[in-house]
Amino acid sequence: DQQVKQNSPSLSVQEGRISILNCDYTNSMFDYFLWYKKYPAEGPTFLISISSIKDKNEDGRFTVFLNKSAKHLSLHIVPSQPGDSAVYFCAASEYNNNDMRFGAGTRLTVKP
Amino acid sequence: ETGVTQTPRHLVMGMTNKKSLKCEQHLGHNAMYWYKQSAKKPLELMFVYNFKEQTENNSVPSRFSPECPNSSHLFLHLHTLQPEDSALYLCASSPLGQGAGGYTFGSGTRLTVV
Repeated sequence: DQQVKQNSPSLSVQEGRISILNCDYTNSMFDYFLWYKKYPAEGPTFLISISSIKDKNEDGRFTVFLNKSAKHLSLHIVPSQPGDSAVYFCAASEYNNNDMRFGAGTRLTVKP
Repeated sequence: ETGVTQTPRHLVMGMTNKKSLKCEQHLGHNAMYWYKQSAKKPLELMFVYNFKEQTENNSVPSRFSPECPNSSHLFLHLHTLQPEDSALYLCASSPLGQGAGGYTFGSGTRLTVV
Protein backbone atom coordinates (compact mmCIF):
# COMPACT_ATOMS: atom_id res chain seq x y z
CA ASP A 1 0.00 0.00 0.00
CA GLN A 2 1.90 2.98 -1.30
CA GLN A 3 0.57 5.91 0.69
CA VAL A 4 3.02 8.45 -0.70
CA LYS A 5 3.57 8.66 -4.42
CA GLN A 6 6.06 10.51 -6.56
CA ASN A 7 4.98 9.81 -10.09
CA SER A 8 7.94 11.38 -11.85
CA PRO A 9 11.05 9.25 -11.47
CA SER A 10 13.23 11.94 -13.01
CA LEU A 11 13.30 15.64 -13.84
CA SER A 12 15.85 17.65 -15.79
CA VAL A 13 16.03 21.44 -15.68
CA GLN A 14 18.43 24.13 -16.80
CA GLU A 15 20.51 25.97 -14.25
CA GLY A 16 18.76 29.13 -13.08
CA ARG A 17 15.29 27.86 -13.91
CA ILE A 18 12.65 26.58 -11.49
CA SER A 19 12.48 22.92 -10.47
CA ILE A 20 9.07 21.63 -9.38
CA LEU A 21 8.87 18.23 -7.76
CA ASN A 22 5.47 16.76 -7.02
CA CYS A 23 4.12 14.35 -4.45
CA ASP A 24 0.68 12.88 -3.75
CA TYR A 25 -0.56 11.06 -0.68
CA THR A 26 -3.58 8.97 0.11
CA ASN A 27 -3.75 8.85 3.90
CA SER A 28 -5.90 11.71 5.18
CA MET A 29 -4.42 11.23 8.66
CA PHE A 30 -1.05 12.53 7.52
CA ASP A 31 -0.49 16.00 8.87
CA TYR A 32 3.25 16.45 8.59
CA PHE A 33 5.13 16.43 5.31
CA LEU A 34 8.79 16.57 4.50
CA TRP A 35 11.25 16.59 1.67
CA TYR A 36 14.56 14.79 1.91
CA LYS A 37 17.49 15.07 -0.45
CA LYS A 38 19.82 12.19 -1.18
CA TYR A 39 23.19 12.24 -2.88
CA PRO A 40 24.79 8.99 -4.11
CA ALA A 41 26.51 6.95 -1.38
CA GLU A 42 24.89 9.07 1.34
CA GLY A 43 21.75 8.73 3.40
CA PRO A 44 18.80 11.10 2.89
CA THR A 45 19.11 14.47 4.58
CA PHE A 46 16.22 16.57 5.74
CA LEU A 47 15.50 19.55 3.49
CA ILE A 48 12.23 21.21 4.42
CA SER A 49 8.94 20.36 6.07
CA ILE A 50 5.40 21.62 6.37
CA SER A 51 2.58 20.87 8.76
CA SER A 52 -1.02 20.65 7.70
CA ILE A 53 -1.92 23.93 9.36
CA LYS A 54 0.06 25.74 6.67
CA ASP A 55 -0.11 25.73 2.90
CA LYS A 56 3.34 27.12 2.25
CA ASN A 57 6.75 27.05 3.86
CA GLU A 58 9.79 28.79 2.46
CA ASP A 59 13.46 28.37 3.24
CA GLY A 60 15.80 30.25 0.94
CA ARG A 61 15.56 28.81 -2.56
CA PHE A 62 13.25 26.03 -1.41
CA THR A 63 9.50 26.35 -1.00
CA VAL A 64 7.06 23.59 -0.20
CA PHE A 65 3.38 23.98 -1.04
CA LEU A 66 0.63 21.85 0.46
CA ASN A 67 -2.84 21.38 -1.01
CA LYS A 68 -4.70 19.35 1.58
CA SER A 69 -7.92 19.03 -0.39
CA ALA A 70 -6.01 17.52 -3.30
CA LYS A 71 -3.65 15.58 -1.01
CA HIS A 72 -0.80 17.03 -2.98
CA LEU A 73 2.42 18.77 -2.15
CA SER A 74 5.19 20.17 -4.24
CA LEU A 75 8.74 21.38 -3.78
CA HIS A 76 9.89 24.40 -5.73
CA ILE A 77 13.57 25.18 -6.12
CA VAL A 78 14.39 28.52 -7.62
CA PRO A 79 16.86 29.26 -9.01
CA SER A 80 18.04 25.70 -9.56
CA GLN A 81 21.77 25.04 -9.25
CA PRO A 82 23.87 22.09 -10.46
CA GLY A 83 24.56 21.19 -6.82
CA ASP A 84 20.84 20.57 -6.40
CA SER A 85 21.18 17.47 -8.58
CA ALA A 86 20.14 14.60 -6.31
CA VAL A 87 17.23 12.29 -5.56
CA TYR A 88 14.41 14.03 -3.69
CA PHE A 89 12.12 12.00 -1.45
CA CYS A 90 8.74 13.14 -0.27
CA ALA A 91 7.68 11.80 3.14
CA ALA A 92 4.60 12.04 5.31
CA SER A 93 3.51 11.08 8.79
CA GLU A 94 1.12 11.92 11.52
CA TYR A 95 2.89 14.44 13.73
CA ASN A 96 4.56 12.84 16.77
CA ASN A 97 4.20 9.49 15.10
CA ASN A 98 7.40 7.66 14.29
CA ASP A 99 5.92 5.90 11.26
CA MET A 100 7.11 8.00 8.34
CA ARG A 101 6.19 6.95 4.80
CA PHE A 102 8.31 7.81 1.81
CA GLY A 103 7.72 8.15 -1.90
CA ALA A 104 9.92 6.42 -4.45
CA GLY A 105 11.94 9.56 -5.11
CA THR A 106 12.51 11.87 -8.06
CA ARG A 107 15.98 12.23 -9.54
CA LEU A 108 16.61 15.89 -10.30
CA THR A 109 19.33 16.83 -12.74
CA VAL A 110 20.22 20.49 -13.06
CA LYS A 111 22.22 21.15 -16.21
CA PRO A 112 24.80 23.96 -16.29
CA GLU B 1 29.08 12.48 9.02
CA THR B 2 25.49 12.83 10.12
CA GLY B 3 25.92 11.40 13.60
CA VAL B 4 24.44 8.06 12.56
CA THR B 5 27.10 5.56 11.56
CA GLN B 6 26.38 2.37 9.67
CA THR B 7 28.77 -0.50 9.10
CA PRO B 8 29.69 -2.07 6.82
CA ARG B 9 29.14 0.30 3.90
CA HIS B 10 29.06 -2.59 1.45
CA LEU B 11 28.28 -6.27 1.98
CA VAL B 12 28.15 -9.19 -0.42
CA MET B 13 26.77 -12.40 1.01
CA GLY B 14 25.66 -15.78 -0.18
CA MET B 15 22.16 -17.05 0.45
CA THR B 16 23.37 -19.42 3.16
CA ASN B 17 25.46 -16.86 5.03
CA LYS B 18 24.67 -15.12 8.30
CA LYS B 19 25.73 -11.50 8.66
CA SER B 20 24.80 -8.47 10.71
CA LEU B 21 24.42 -4.80 9.92
CA LYS B 22 25.29 -2.31 12.62
CA CYS B 23 24.00 1.17 13.32
CA GLU B 24 25.25 3.54 15.99
CA GLN B 25 24.16 7.02 16.99
CA HIS B 26 25.33 9.34 19.73
CA LEU B 27 22.83 12.10 19.13
CA GLY B 28 20.83 11.34 22.24
CA HIS B 29 17.93 10.09 20.16
CA ASN B 30 15.52 7.56 21.65
CA ALA B 31 14.00 6.14 18.49
CA MET B 32 15.82 4.12 15.85
CA TYR B 33 14.66 2.70 12.54
CA TRP B 34 15.59 0.35 9.76
CA TYR B 35 14.55 1.27 6.22
CA LYS B 36 15.06 -0.65 2.99
CA GLN B 37 15.62 1.16 -0.29
CA SER B 38 15.23 -0.90 -3.44
CA ALA B 39 15.72 0.53 -6.89
CA LYS B 40 12.79 2.69 -8.05
CA LYS B 41 10.77 1.86 -4.95
CA PRO B 42 9.83 3.97 -1.94
CA LEU B 43 11.89 3.75 1.18
CA GLU B 44 10.25 0.92 3.10
CA LEU B 45 10.03 1.13 6.85
CA MET B 46 11.08 -2.21 8.32
CA PHE B 47 11.41 -1.80 12.07
CA VAL B 48 10.95 0.90 14.69
CA TYR B 49 12.45 0.94 18.16
CA ASN B 50 11.44 3.41 20.84
CA PHE B 51 13.54 3.33 24.00
CA LYS B 52 14.94 -0.06 22.94
CA GLU B 53 11.46 -1.54 22.54
CA GLN B 54 10.30 -2.66 19.14
CA THR B 55 7.11 -0.83 18.35
CA GLU B 56 6.68 -1.69 14.71
CA ASN B 57 7.43 -4.59 12.41
CA ASN B 58 6.11 -3.91 8.94
CA SER B 59 5.51 -7.51 7.92
CA VAL B 60 9.19 -8.10 7.46
CA PRO B 61 10.23 -11.72 6.76
CA SER B 62 11.82 -13.54 9.66
CA ARG B 63 15.12 -13.83 7.79
CA PHE B 64 15.61 -10.23 8.99
CA SER B 65 16.02 -10.06 12.76
CA PRO B 66 16.54 -6.70 14.48
CA GLU B 67 18.24 -6.17 17.81
CA CYS B 68 18.42 -3.01 19.88
CA PRO B 69 20.59 -3.55 22.97
CA ASN B 70 20.42 0.12 23.96
CA SER B 71 19.12 3.37 22.55
CA SER B 72 22.44 4.08 20.79
CA HIS B 73 22.88 0.83 18.90
CA LEU B 74 20.75 -1.07 16.44
CA PHE B 75 21.55 -4.25 14.58
CA LEU B 76 19.94 -6.09 11.71
CA HIS B 77 20.81 -9.77 11.66
CA LEU B 78 20.54 -11.43 8.28
CA HIS B 79 20.27 -15.13 7.46
CA THR B 80 19.25 -17.20 4.44
CA LEU B 81 18.54 -14.11 2.39
CA GLN B 82 17.25 -14.11 -1.17
CA PRO B 83 18.67 -12.22 -4.15
CA GLU B 84 15.63 -9.90 -4.06
CA ASP B 85 16.78 -8.74 -0.63
CA SER B 86 19.65 -6.93 -2.33
CA ALA B 87 19.11 -3.25 -1.54
CA LEU B 88 20.38 -0.27 0.38
CA TYR B 89 19.58 -0.64 4.07
CA LEU B 90 19.31 2.64 5.90
CA CYS B 91 19.32 3.24 9.61
CA ALA B 92 17.82 6.40 11.08
CA SER B 93 17.29 7.86 14.51
CA SER B 94 15.12 10.62 15.92
CA PRO B 95 14.13 12.21 19.19
CA LEU B 96 11.01 10.48 20.37
CA GLY B 97 7.82 12.34 19.59
CA GLN B 98 9.53 15.09 17.63
CA GLY B 99 7.82 14.31 14.40
CA ALA B 100 9.40 13.01 11.27
CA GLY B 101 11.57 16.07 10.67
CA GLY B 102 13.90 14.94 13.37
CA TYR B 103 15.09 11.86 11.46
CA THR B 104 18.81 11.58 10.93
CA PHE B 105 19.88 8.92 8.47
CA GLY B 106 23.09 7.00 8.19
CA SER B 107 24.81 6.51 4.85
CA GLY B 108 23.43 3.02 4.50
CA THR B 109 24.76 -0.47 3.84
CA ARG B 110 24.65 -1.59 0.22
CA LEU B 111 23.77 -5.29 0.43
CA THR B 112 24.17 -7.69 -2.45
CA VAL B 113 22.89 -11.24 -2.06
CA VAL B 114 24.42 -13.70 -4.51
